[in-house]
Amino acid sequence: QKEVEQDPGPLSVPEGAIVSLNCTYSNSAFQYFMWYRQYSRKGPELLMYTYSSGNKEDGRFTAQVDKSSKYISLFIRDSQPSDSATYLCATGAGNQFYFGTGTSLTVIP
Amino acid sequence: NAGVMQNPRHLVRRRGQEARLRCSPMKGHSHVYWYRQLPEEGLKFMVYLQKENIIDESGMPKERFSAEFPKEGPSILRIQQVVRGDSAAYFCASSPGTGPSLLYFGPGTRLTVT
Repeated sequence: QKEVEQDPGPLSVPEGAIVSLNCTYSNSAFQYFMWYRQYSRKGPELLMYTYSSGNKEDGRFTAQVDKSSKYISLFIRDSQPSDSATYLCATGAGNQFYFGTGTSLTVIP
Repeated sequence: NAGVMQNPRHLVRRRGQEARLRCSPMKGHSHVYWYRQLPEEGLKFMVYLQKENIIDESGMPKERFSAEFPKEGPSILRIQQVVRGDSAAYFCASSPGTGPSLLYFGPGTRLTVT
């Protein structure tokens, strides 16, 4: 079983839609949870991180973690064409990090 | 505050040559990770280093690949006798090693083997 599973998509939505991106993880010992955004031919950019269950909001982005079900989500409100990218979830403990394979998102104007 | 620096950004090598990829971590960061990414695939962990020490190289091929992070200077990922299958994007990431364990990535080096 992989440490992190992520639906690869691709996901295509109209501008202004709410986007939901999801991952599951296998190890209840994982302590931190991150979302990265990667534009084509660029390095992954740390978008959001959290260390606990619940929601963390930053502008149009909300990261949600449910440790009881080992579920990680990223919600994007009022999606924009500039949000078109691949989104990677990541989790880990100590100095070990585990990444999902990424979900490709296209926001259509 | 400069981020993670990688150079070169693009590298073309012929089969059998050596490739050297460099990574300078963010200021104050003492932990470096190397990842490989193939088109349409996720990030594959290769190696995790601290200054002068390899902590985890479980993701690195046993042959032709090596990595170092000297006391002074950048971390180096070295690929000897490159083959076409080594063509990929190689990303370096750094972490402070204390406090929140977060990874910050560089822009990557795109290696093309002809």
